[in-house]
Amino acid sequence: SAVISQKPSRDICQRGTSLTIQCQVDSQVTMMFWYRQQPGQSLTLIATANQGSEATYESGFVIDKFPISRPNLTFSTLTVSNMSPEDSSIYLCSVRTGRNTEAFFGQGTRLTVV
Amino acid sequence: AQTVTQSQPEMSVQEAETVTLSCTYDTSESDYYLFWYKQPPSRQMILVIRQEAYKQQNATENRFSVNFQKAAKSFSLKISDSQLGDAAMYFCAYRSQQTGANNLFFGTGTRLTVIP
Repeated sequence: SAVISQKPSRDICQRGTSLTIQCQVDSQVTMMFWYRQQPGQSLTLIATANQGSEATYESGFVIDKFPISRPNLTFSTLTVSNMSPEDSSIYLCSVRTGRNTEAFFGQGTRLTVV
Repeated sequence: AQTVTQSQPEMSVQEAETVTLSCTYDTSESDYYLFWYKQPPSRQMILVIRQEAYKQQNATENRFSVNFQKAAKSFSLKISDSQLGDAAMYFCAYRSQQTGANNLFFGTGTRLTVIP
């Protein structure tokens, strides 16, 4: 298993600003993922962040809007840039410790854009 | 893309009783994983149970068990002896076993209420 610490747990931000969310894992993991969960909705994968390579973004998500860093095997950040109220969501960090293992999740960051 | 469908937006169960949450999925693949995750109000996604598609035997974890019907592409979750702490959103999820396939496809969730 993996223990994931995500910061901040919640934030209220002004439109047009940016917020960086941090994800710290208690062990080295190859695969880290960022998900978005819009109000009342399911989870949607934003991007896969593997150490040593550029993040891979899913359809509908772009690097300019959601830049990701992955400086080492235990840490990643997701930035939500130039925020609008439509970005109000829960953002979750997730990791897998191996190819055939399940995903573990952080507790999420609840973002409200006003 | 694979799709996962949970047709029950809300379910309720009396404490100590049994409840079954439904999930169907659509895929052309033969090798994959299926999961049930629980999301309580704390927002933490917690793995409840997982099933490998190649295994015919249904997975069981204490009070949680699944009914995996591969031909019907059905993956229901049974919660026995329901407890107040079981109240949460439950998400069914699918992941391919193909190399490089990382995405978890989630259903829309079922909100479970446990009545004391």
